[in-house]
Amino acid sequence: GENVEQHPSTLSVQEGDSAVIKCTYSDSASNYFPWYKQELGKRPQLIIDIRSNVGEKKDQRIAVTLNKTAKHFSLHITETQPEDSAVYFCAPLSGAGSYQLTFGKGTKLSVIP
Amino acid sequence: DSGVTQTPKHLITATGQRVTLRCSPRSGDLSVYWYQQSLDQGLQFLIHYYNGEERAKGNILERFSAQQFPDLHSELNLSSLELGDSALYFCASSGGTRETQYFGPGTRLLVL
Repeated sequence: GENVEQHPSTLSVQEGDSAVIKCTYSDSASNYFPWYKQELGKRPQLIIDIRSNVGEKKDQRIAVTLNKTAKHFSLHITETQPEDSAVYFCAPLSGAGSYQLTFGKGTKLSVIP
Repeated sequence: DSGVTQTPKHLITATGQRVTLRCSPRSGDLSVYWYQQSLDQGLQFLIHYYNGEERAKGNILERFSAQQFPDLHSELNLSSLELGDSALYFCASSGGTRETQYFGPGTRLLVL
């Protein structure tokens, strides 16, 4: 099965700074790479995703970059705000017709005002 | 609001009991997934149904079972409950862009 590692496990940044979270995966057939944000006690919420035929995708302050050769993808948040404080999960989709997301252990992001 | 609904929101029960969790997918979505989130195991995939048929199983215990009905809602049945089954149970659904999964608000299960 897919092995997913996410780093760092915790991240504190000053408001306005950038945050980067990295995810590595093992299944070379993985072809879909989403990032989810989860606030305490709430549902995981999709914030951005990328497919394997694209190297980078941006949505306002959030971007995802993919390196399929190295089997890693990263979440970039610029101009962080206190409401960005949450746990972020990467969840690559296993390839070969599977629709099973394998979640990383999460990164707790704290944005200090 | 993702459009995925789950009931109940909270459930408190005793060891050995059986409970049923319910999920209604977004309108038009044919796929339903169940995930378990606990402090020690993180977010784990349990099972996937597509249009009433089981498509994939993950780390789902034999004491757990699921089904998807003709109206596409799904139920997750947990039996012979143990303390370690206490967790948040999420369902998610996907449709046209089949990879993109939208999560419901979850059911928090506490086994005493």
